[in-house]
Amino acid sequence: EIVMTQSPASLSVSPGERATLSCRASQSVSSKLAWYQQKPGQAPRLLIYGASTRATGVPARFSGSGSGTEFTLTISSLQSEDFAVYYCQQYNNWPPKTFGQGTKLEI
Amino acid sequence: EVQLIQSGAEVTKPGASVKISCKDSGYTFIDYYIYWVQQAPGKGLEWVGLVDPEDGATIYAERFQGRVTITADTSTDTAYLELNSLRSEDTAVYYCARGRIAGYFDYWGQGTLVTVSS
Repeated sequence: EIVMTQSPASLSVSPGERATLSCRASQSVSSKLAWYQQKPGQAPRLLIYGASTRATGVPARFSGSGSGTEFTLTISSLQSEDFAVYYCQQYNNWPPKTFGQGTKLEI
Repeated sequence: EVQLIQSGAEVTKPGASVKISCKDSGYTFIDYYIYWVQQAPGKGLEWVGLVDPEDGATIYAERFQGRVTITADTSTDTAYLELNSLRSEDTAVYYCARGRIAGYFDYWGQGTLVTVSS
């Protein structure tokens, strides 16, 4: 089973600043990496797939990069609605389609 | 508009079974797989398994193998997750999600809270 490790576990950033979230896979997942955003009491929402492709309706301030084992989600200028928990997920080697443990983005 | 609407919260006892549903609309049901994901209170996301609505084929995560059954009813475009021999550790929100066989999850249900308590 591929283990996904996210860092940091939590990140405090001010509105308008840039946030950089990391995700590392225990073995290569090529570009089969997705990012999800989850707000309290809500279901996860797809942000990025294929490591770098924004899902429909996702603002351009969200960008993903990386391949193999190292991936990054960058939010260029944080808005108040961006404070949430972010999960990465690999879908290259499965079952299971493993998730990272999440990064909580706090004000 | 693609929608996955899940059944309401369940409270059940240890050792019992529960079956929750995920009613899909806005797309062709058999064109996508339905996945189930567990989220324990205050915890992260864990993949439970999937069903191919076209032929009913299933794949389960090893941790849930033998205690979980996932099915799909193409006459009602509804997927189901049945959990057996429930224990307190099964207390969680269960999400259904839509995706391709080799892909990510692009639409999610709103989640169903299952509480296992004596």
